[in-house]
Amino acid sequence: QKEVEQNSGPLSVPEGAIASLNCTYSDRGSQSFFWYRQYSGKSPELIMSIYSNGDKEDGRFTAQLNKASQYVSLLIRDSQPSDSATYLCAVNEGYSTLTFGKGTMLLVSP
Amino acid sequence: GAGVSQSPSNKVTEKGKDVELRCDPISGHTALYWYRQSLGQGLEFLIYFQGNSAPDKSGLPSDRFSAERTGGSVSTLTIQRTQQEDSAVYLCASSSQRAWGRSYGYTFGSGTRLTVV
Repeated sequence: QKEVEQNSGPLSVPEGAIASLNCTYSDRGSQSFFWYRQYSGKSPELIMSIYSNGDKEDGRFTAQLNKASQYVSLLIRDSQPSDSATYLCAVNEGYSTLTFGKGTMLLVSP
Repeated sequence: GAGVSQSPSNKVTEKGKDVELRCDPISGHTALYWYRQSLGQGLEFLIYFQGNSAPDKSGLPSDRFSAERTGGSVSTLTIQRTQQEDSAVYLCASSSQRAWGRSYGYTFGSGTRLTVV
């Protein structure tokens, strides 16, 4: 049974701070890793993908992958109230379907 | 189309009735997925279509659930004899062909909120 674990939160950070979201996965064969953002009442939106160990930056977002430790993280710099949402981690291996974590709720206070 | 289109956006049905949910994926996307999300729960995989291959039905919770994809494009998820526990948001997603063993992320539709009363 493939598992993706996330702290449910909520993670509360003040505006302008760095938010750090973490995810661990059970399948060592996982090759593709994604972060989705889901606003309340909306569908998930893909914000980052990462495939190789290390960091990948896109604007205020940085995804970090460590396959040896089987964790992937998402850093959000200069957090804004509009970043308040649930962040879903998803992983898969080869041709399998994505396995999603249950998500971490992020609250950014003004 | 520009995005994944799902209809209806909301559906209220009586227990025991059948319902059909429709998904129109992004043009050119060969893979189509159905997930459902219950209140406060994670995304539960239901079924996956890839091109002309046999669908992966491993996530369907019971034989009351079925899905088809016609012409490699539009998909319909059918739930027969609906039960209250079927109430959830049903999400459809599509993605491009994989390359070099890597997946591309899914693009989700806006979902169908199903309420069984």
